[in-house]
Amino acid sequence: DADVTQTPRNRITKTGKRIMLECSQTKGHDRMYWYRQDPGLGLQLIYYSFDVKDINKGEISDGYSVSRQAQAKFSLSLESAIPNQTALYFCATSGGGETQPQHFGDGTRLSIL
Amino acid sequence: KNEVEQSPQNLTAQEGEFITINCSYSVGISALHWLQQHPGGGIVSLFMLSSGKKKHGRLIATINIQEKHSSLHITASHPRDSAVYICAVSTDSNYQLIWGAGTKLIIKP
Repeated sequence: DADVTQTPRNRITKTGKRIMLECSQTKGHDRMYWYRQDPGLGLQLIYYSFDVKDINKGEISDGYSVSRQAQAKFSLSLESAIPNQTALYFCATSGGGETQPQHFGDGTRLSIL
Repeated sequence: KNEVEQSPQNLTAQEGEFITINCSYSVGISALHWLQQHPGGGIVSLFMLSSGKKKHGRLIATINIQEKHSSLHITASHPRDSAVYICAVSTDSNYQLIWGAGTKLIIKP
């Protein structure tokens, strides 16, 4: 089983719909992240969480919200999806400290029509 | 100007060739990361280094802190090495990684 699991893997939906992307991990890491990737661009950080009570905005948090339900679970919501949120979304985890590697899920390909 | 820049953006080579991908950064760092993104989208961490050189199989990563530059080398390249290679840095003052845009590598048989 994967250490970092994202669901769904693919989703097509319509403008205005509320979408939730889920991430769960079995690595026991405190730190979890949500990124978005657009074609030809680097990863952009949406939100990150260093523990269950700690949620922080990343560089592109507008239009998104998150919930850290437990150490192992970190969900990303699009309250009212719009077409320019069509992208590949990644969840990642890391252990404590800025020099720890991040471990990624397989990604969720989201298309907003 | 981006804080992390990779070159080249795209690289096509023949199987067996020695590959070099470069990463330059303009900020003080605590560590530099090299990651590989497979054609299917999955991202895997290859190396994390703060000085010197690391080797894993046919992959070698080096970093020169004074010159703020890192290289990723692939020896005896193979078509299965085809992927996007991403450089990212972590800094002392920011919990977020700063990401390069990636280098798309294609190895032809």
